[in-house]
Amino acid sequence: NAGVTQTPKFQVLKTGQSMTLQCAQDMNHNSMYWYRQDPGMGLRLIYYSASEGTTDKGEVPNGYNVSRLNKREFSLRLESAAPSQTSVYFCASRTRDREVSGYTFGSGTRLTVV
Amino acid sequence: AQSVTQLGSHVSVSEGALVLLRCNYSSSVPPYLFWYVQYPNQGLQLLLKYTSAATLVKGINGFEAEFKKSETSFHLTKPSAHMSDAAEYFCAVRTGANSKLTFGKGITLSVRP
Repeated sequence: NAGVTQTPKFQVLKTGQSMTLQCAQDMNHNSMYWYRQDPGMGLRLIYYSASEGTTDKGEVPNGYNVSRLNKREFSLRLESAAPSQTSVYFCASRTRDREVSGYTFGSGTRLTVV
Repeated sequence: AQSVTQLGSHVSVSEGALVLLRCNYSSSVPPYLFWYVQYPNQGLQLLLKYTSAATLVKGINGFEAEFKKSETSFHLTKPSAHMSDAAEYFCAVRTGANSKLTFGKGITLSVRP
């Protein structure tokens, strides 16, 4: 089925470890986003990529890096995980055209840092 | 700057009762407004969107929302709640066709038998 695929679905890290969250979309969307969701905080934007080859910081970028590998893939890297990064991470994508479209979300990655 | 406010974190209704989830926005330019639903352990799914056409917007699963500029509101309603409506609901705003979404903190809807 067409959509946004995130891997892994669950991950437990030790403080200081690194990992990369993968995201791929097969809808030929131009823009891609990484959000984190924490209880009572809603979704907060970490980084986004308006188009292939560009990335920009969102509201909470500290401790993260991203790579827009190609039009389909947008990865999020934690270089040195901290307990404060325990969260649910969502990738989303959107077409960039004249229609005001909503975002298509992946099913999330649940990350625990101990 | 743009923002949305969803007052309260939890709403509980009886099955068959009216659902009303409130959302107020702040924007210096005409906004685009969205409601998303998140079922347990799933991603977010678009319920409906306002894009400056009709002020009353109908979405999936019997939900609708009305844009009221004078009240800076975009409240979500459903005439009769169903058990399957139990989920978390997020209001979101964008201020341009290619700008980023800003989400509210979400409201959890519980439906009592």
